Amino acid sequence: GENVEQHPSTLSVQEGDSAVIKCTYSDSASNYFPWYKQELGKGPQLIIDIRSNVGEKKDQRIAVTLNKTAKHFSLHITETQPEDSAVYFCAASEGNYGQNFVFGPGTRLSVLP
Amino acid sequence: DVKVTQSSRYLVKRTGEKVFLECVQDMDHENMFWYRQDPGLGLRLIYFSYDVKMKEKGDIPEGYSVSREKKERFSLILESASTNQTSMYLCASNVAGGPYEQYFGPGTRLTVT
Repeated sequence: GENVEQHPSTLSVQEGDSAVIKCTYSDSASNYFPWYKQELGKGPQLIIDIRSNVGEKKDQRIAVTLNKTAKHFSLHITETQPEDSAVYFCAASEGNYGQNFVFGPGTRLSVLP
Repeated sequence: DVKVTQSSRYLVKRTGEKVFLECVQDMDHENMFWYRQDPGLGLRLIYFSYDVKMKEKGDIPEGYSVSREKKERFSLILESASTNQTSMYLCASNVAGGPYEQYFGPGTRLTVT
């Protein structure tokens, strides 16, 4: 089955700097890669996703890149703000119709004012 | 807005008790999921359901069962709670025909003593 690795496990950046989180996956059949943000006391919430027919996607300060050949994808956050502090999870779809997601172990991002 | 609600935010149970965790979604989603979240392990799939009365085992089904009698409701059952089931439990749902975004509830923090 699919296996997703995520690095780093913790990341501290100064406000205004950029943050990059990287994930690798094992199953070349995976075709959907969402990123979720989990704030304290809340459930994960989708922030951006990318499908395997696209190499890059941007939404304001957030971007995701996908390298299918290398089986890795990355989350890029520019101009970080204190409210970006949270745990971020990457995931890859698997299974029939891809309805199951396999999640990475998470990255705790701290943005220091 | 999609809403996924979980019956309790915090729950404390004794070893050997039968525990019910309930999840309700209001967007007529076909798929519903139960995950367990532990530090450093990310989200691990316990069970998912793609239709009423239908279920599939996830990666860690041992010690758990599920019930889906109505489309909007998905219950997770711990037949005989054990201390190693102390964890955060997250419910999610999405539409069929995916892969599509999963919407998460706020989670239930279960402590088994």
